[in-house]
Amino acid sequence: DQQVKQNSPSLSVQEGRISILNCDYTNSMFDYFLWYKKYPAEGPTFLISISSIKDKNEDGRFTVFLNKSAKHLSLHIVPSQPGDSAVYFCAASARGTGFQKLVFGTGTRLLVSP
Amino acid sequence: NAGVTQTPKFQVLKTGQSMTLQCAQDMNHNSMYWYRQDPGMGLRLIYYSASEGTTDKGEVPNGYNVSRLNKREFSLRLESAAPSQTSVYFCASSEALSGRAFNQPQHFGDGTRLSIL
Repeated sequence: DQQVKQNSPSLSVQEGRISILNCDYTNSMFDYFLWYKKYPAEGPTFLISISSIKDKNEDGRFTVFLNKSAKHLSLHIVPSQPGDSAVYFCAASARGTGFQKLVFGTGTRLLVSP
Repeated sequence: NAGVTQTPKFQVLKTGQSMTLQCAQDMNHNSMYWYRQDPGMGLRLIYYSASEGTTDKGEVPNGYNVSRLNKREFSLRLESAAPSQTSVYFCASSEALSGRAFNQPQHFGDGTRLSIL
């Protein structure tokens, strides 16, 4: 039972354009969502997060949007740069579990071409 | 600024051998985690330690044991390795425990690539 789904295994975007990565979840108890970026042979690096009390959070070129009614979140990267080429994972956790156990999606590979 | 350090980076084992994966963090975090990542799958939680002295099972604990040696170190042991345990193993840490510190990100090491023949 995949509680966090990233349905697009890959995405290609030109430099300077917007990249939009999507993530859907099924567990209505999730209340904290994160995006991680992962380069080959490295560990995931925290990018940005959002609490369920918000519907948008920005950090520089990165914005995460949360639509609770649709159980959907998205990561927007504007403008995209070649260095953004990586695998992006979304993750979620539920405070009701009493402890932060993250559930990860399967990842989307972003390729930004010059 | 080491963050989370995992050793070794690579290892090849034969079926039935045992080994311990080491993890240490220098961020004074309370909580530590072990994940595995397999092709086409997200990271899956094996074990976690909410605080020094406590450990709990995650989603896929079978075939593994852990030890929270002190606040800095959290090791993962394979007692009798099986080919199904071929994977990339990641250790992570976070301040998150509960309450106000709940929503804190986890910070990951660079992984141990383990192959079991």
